[in-house]
Amino acid sequence: AQTVTQSQPEMSVQEAETVTLSCTYDTSESNYYLFWYKQPPSRQMILVIRQEAYKQQNATENRFSVNFQKAAKSFSLKISDSQLGDTAMYFCAFTPTDSWGKLQFGAGTQVVVTP
Amino acid sequence: EAGVVQSPRYKIIEKKQPVAFWCNPISGHNTLYWYLQNLGQGPELLIRYENEEAVDDSQLPKDRFSAERLKGVDSTLKIQPAELGDSAVYLCASSRQGGETQYFGPGTRLLVL
Repeated sequence: AQTVTQSQPEMSVQEAETVTLSCTYDTSESNYYLFWYKQPPSRQMILVIRQEAYKQQNATENRFSVNFQKAAKSFSLKISDSQLGDTAMYFCAFTPTDSWGKLQFGAGTQVVVTP
Repeated sequence: EAGVVQSPRYKIIEKKQPVAFWCNPISGHNTLYWYLQNLGQGPELLIRYENEEAVDDSQLPKDRFSAERLKGVDSTLKIQPAELGDSAVYLCASSRQGGETQYFGPGTRLLVL
């Protein structure tokens, strides 16, 4: 069975600062995808970034970047130059490539950006 | 491109009543997912459709939950009868094919009294 662990229930960061969210996962699969989704108070789940396990290069998307350590089964998200609109719950999610999209989510990390 | 549409956004019912949720996926997306999200937790998959076929419904409580995706486009998730523990957010998502990036709708928040 696959599990996804987010050990930080809540993180607080000031505007313009950087925050890093941790995520670890457990799997015996070699091919899989990893995602970070953002869920603001409106509850719309929004894709932040996606990483394919076979790619060694870490994915980046504007102010969002990941540190993917396959051997350690770690997938952290860095938010640079934090903005008030980044306040949301962030979920790490995992799916093996042969599971046809069955996402396993972590419990989430609440990020609060303060002025 | 329009996103995933869900209705209603909010629903309050009394226990033992039936309730139904509707989802319209992104145009061209063959795969549709229903997730259950309890307060303070990540979503959990209830059922996945490839076109009109339910290919993974192992987590769907079939004694009271049912779903359909007629014509492989819109989908309806039904609960009958609803229980207090069904209070949660029900999320619908779609992707072009199974395994590709999923895009989520705004969800339906259900409160069972």
